[in-house]
Amino acid sequence: KAGVTQTPRYLIKTRGQQVTLSCSPISGHRSVSWYQQTPGQGLQFLFEYFSETQRNKGNFPGRFSGRQFSNSRSEMNVSTLELGDSALYLCASSLDRATEAFFGQGTRLTVV
Amino acid sequence: AQTVTQSQPEMSVQEAETVTLSCTYDTSESDYYLFWYKQPPSRQMILVIRQEAYKQQNATENRFSVNFQKAAKSFSLKISDSQLGDAAMYFCAYRTTQGGSEKLVFGKGMKLTVNP
Repeated sequence: KAGVTQTPRYLIKTRGQQVTLSCSPISGHRSVSWYQQTPGQGLQFLFEYFSETQRNKGNFPGRFSGRQFSNSRSEMNVSTLELGDSALYLCASSLDRATEAFFGQGTRLTVV
Repeated sequence: AQTVTQSQPEMSVQEAETVTLSCTYDTSESDYYLFWYKQPPSRQMILVIRQEAYKQQNATENRFSVNFQKAAKSFSLKISDSQLGDAAMYFCAYRTTQGGSEKLVFGKGMKLTVNP
């Protein structure tokens, strides 16, 4: 059974650009959550999608957005990139109301 | 809002010895889940152990066990017979059971070094 797949693994972008990250959940999982991990702030919740609907949202500016497709794959988009957006972005999938979230290996975004 | 605190940023342990990682949390809810996740250099978060708040019995998974003190809002992880492969960042996490959300609230993490 394939795990959670995040693409790309590494990304370098310039300030002001936008970026799209992709997450393919484990087959059958309908919930996808996104987290930002930085040395200073640790792991912070971005948002959660379930059956193509955003179910929960963290405290991030509107430059951060996401969506989920009918096959449960999810994308997150960051517009007008800032240096502070440099981070490891982790995606997790789970069955609804499950007790375990499975994480991908993350996308390392560097903004220069 | 729920918060999770890991007060020890780093710890080290000798191979084959036992180490305990501490975690405290704050919540007004009576039912929730608590987790310990491990993040090795590969960056992938791996679930180590989970505890459901309504269960009084402490969870155990092979060499990993927890000491769950609900009244004190404490959730420590004990690693017995430490192995070199246990070296990683360890994160304590909280998840509500309300509202159908899968959102995890993480502590800042603790770096565990295992010395041969």
